[in-house]
Amino acid sequence: GQSLEQPSEVTAVEGAIVQINCTYQTSGFYGLSWYQQHDGGAPTFLSYNALDGLEETGRFSSFLSRSDSYGYLLLQELQMKDSASYFCAVSAYTDKLIFGTGTRLQVFP
Amino acid sequence: EADIYQTPRYLVIGTGKKITLECSQTMGHDKMYWYQQDPGMELHLIHYSYGVNSTEKGDLSSESTVSRIRTEHFPLTLESARPSHTSQYLCASSEETVEAFFGQGTRLTVV
Repeated sequence: GQSLEQPSEVTAVEGAIVQINCTYQTSGFYGLSWYQQHDGGAPTFLSYNALDGLEETGRFSSFLSRSDSYGYLLLQELQMKDSASYFCAVSAYTDKLIFGTGTRLQVFP
Repeated sequence: EADIYQTPRYLVIGTGKKITLECSQTMGHDKMYWYQQDPGMELHLIHYSYGVNSTEKGDLSSESTVSRIRTEHFPLTLESARPSHTSQYLCASSEETVEAFFGQGTRLTVV
C-alpha cells in the first residue's frame, strides 16, 4: 500500500518562510506533487518532483529525495492568502494518485 | 482554467435513496479519480480509472460504484444512501498522474 505523513498544522507570520514536510511509503514511485486547498474550495496543483532536487515556482519551491522517501514544500514571503491546507500526493505505476494527511497553514499578520 | 464539472454541488437526500454524482471533463484526460473528503480532513481515494471501461477501487473501501463508458464522463452511484455516506465527494482528472484538475465537489448529506 501507500502512506504519506505530514505535520497536521504549521503557523507563521506574514513575510516569513515555512517548510512543510512529507514522508511517504509506496511501491512503484513516479513522483511527488503538492496541492493547495482553501476552506470550501477544491485542491489546486502547485508543483511536481519526479527527480531528486529542488523545483522553484515563484514563491513556492518543492524538494524531493527519492532515497529518503521524503519531500518538502517551501513557501517564501508568506502572505495572508497562503493560509490554507497543503497536501502532498504520490503518483505510482498503478495510476493511483494518493494524498497525504494534509497540513493546515495559518499565516498571522 | 480547468474544465471539469461536478453536479450537483449540494445534495440532501433521505436514507435508502439511490443517487448518482456526475463528473465530466472536457480535457480529454484518460485518468479520472473520485475522492471522499470530510471537512478539514485528508482526501481518500475511493475509485479511479485509467481509461474507458477501466475502473479500480481505491484505498478507502466504499459502497459506491463507478462507470467509465465515455472518456469525458465518470459518474459515481450509491445504490442505497446512508447517513455514514455524508461527506464531500471530489472528482479529478489528469493526463498523467502529475497535475490533477479537480471539480468543485459535491457536498452530500444523507438524513
